[in-house]
Amino acid sequence: ETGVTQSPTHLIKTRGQQVTLRCSSQSGHNTVSWYQQALGQGPQFIFQYYREEENGRGNFPPRFSGLQFPNYSSELNVNALELDDSALYLCASSLDISNTGELFFGEGSRLTVL
Amino acid sequence: AQSVTQPDIHITVSEGASLELRCNYSYGATPYLFWYVQSPGQGLQLLLKYFSGDTLVQGIKGFEAEFKRSQSSFNLRKPSVHWSDAAEYFCAVGAADSWGKLQFGAGTQVVVTP
Repeated sequence: ETGVTQSPTHLIKTRGQQVTLRCSSQSGHNTVSWYQQALGQGPQFIFQYYREEENGRGNFPPRFSGLQFPNYSSELNVNALELDDSALYLCASSLDISNTGELFFGEGSRLTVL
Repeated sequence: AQSVTQPDIHITVSEGASLELRCNYSYGATPYLFWYVQSPGQGLQLLLKYFSGDTLVQGIKGFEAEFKRSQSSFNLRKPSVHWSDAAEYFCAVGAADSWGKLQFGAGTQVVVTP
């Protein structure tokens, strides 16, 4: 039990649709990172939010966007869904952006795009 | 650019036997190295991490890993495997100035036979 919860756990969308995935971090954790894990692959870093501002992005297009809220929750939004967006999306929270805090991962939201 | 290679996609080991999972990394400076485990339908759990100091790192569940700078490796070991160790294992590398933005390997699937 990491204290990080994600919703929904599973969802199915069709190409071109938009999706919002949610993450609730541990209380006090002001940093959240989002990862995409395609089937059979390791997680890939999408972006990170620190104190409600984007703090770095991986190699993902702008149709992947995010929000972080003061209540330690966050969202990942994906517009114009493509088949290759089918994956497990993981969020990970940490106390701060310093290099001593552990990352706590949620169990993920599995997105299927048809 | 940093990268992580896990040469073994799949390993089968007998219960009670020893286990070693290989991880090679590419990074310009001293990396922060991690091993995570992922059971089916679950998120990532941190087994151990290396930041600096003693190159032999002890983790949870009886796992240990050794950092070898000369070989750019961070191999994970367990002396005696239990059936509950069947899972997927990911090696990851991070940096001090980009905490939370990890580069993961593709993972090694471990199967434990009776």
